[in-house]
Amino acid sequence: EVQLVDSGGGLVQPGGSLRLSCAASGFTFSTYWMTWVRQAPGKGLEWVANINQDGSNRHYVDSVQGRFTISRDNGRNSLFLQMSSLRAEDTAVYYCARDHTYSDSGVYYDAFDIWGQGTMVTVS
Amino acid sequence: AIQMTQSPSSLSASVGDRVTITCRASQGIRNELAWYRQKPGKAPKLLIYAASNLQSGVPSRFSGSGSGTDFTLTISSLQPEDFATYFCLQDYNYPRTFGQGTKVEI
Repeated sequence: EVQLVDSGGGLVQPGGSLRLSCAASGFTFSTYWMTWVRQAPGKGLEWVANINQDGSNRHYVDSVQGRFTISRDNGRNSLFLQMSSLRAEDTAVYYCARDHTYSDSGVYYDAFDIWGQGTMVTVS
Repeated sequence: AIQMTQSPSSLSASVGDRVTITCRASQGIRNELAWYRQKPGKAPKLLIYAASNLQSGVPSRFSGSGSGTDFTLTISSLQPEDFATYFCLQDYNYPRTFGQGTKVEI
């Protein structure tokens, strides 16, 4: 079964750090971009960061740039999000997602086709 | 960053109704848009990619259209499991941005 399992969330004080993990199974993890998306309580979805297959290319939303680091370990089929200098506004459920590339008439598109169950981060 | 604006923010409908949700981008994004459905307490589920392509396993009552700045998601006959929140997402450039969501209520 293709699956992503998020873990590592919890309660942390402002200014603190936390490391989220996402364990992948059922597919060849090393061949996919991977993404983190978050959702504050009662709010919409916010894309946070993504990383390419070998970890050499990463992108971040401005609000976490310089505070969060996305990384991966293809040998352990795992994705990580190291979060530091945490703020109250980082409180959210964090989801990892597989970034699938689709091809249509020679044009390539991305979409998040597999999601983890989410892990809650509370900064207070 | 590209702003994605969905309308309406919420709507009320009945089982069997035809429902249309729109998403407008603040600049042209070709057809690089996806739609997701999220049920309360659950992770989002991919419905449509590249504006109009149905994800494998998604029922054919879902369809998408549009290009450039204006997009629509249509549910041809609303089913009980479709009462949820729907989000659009642009994958044209970084940062990826979601619409604010449309809640479909009974």
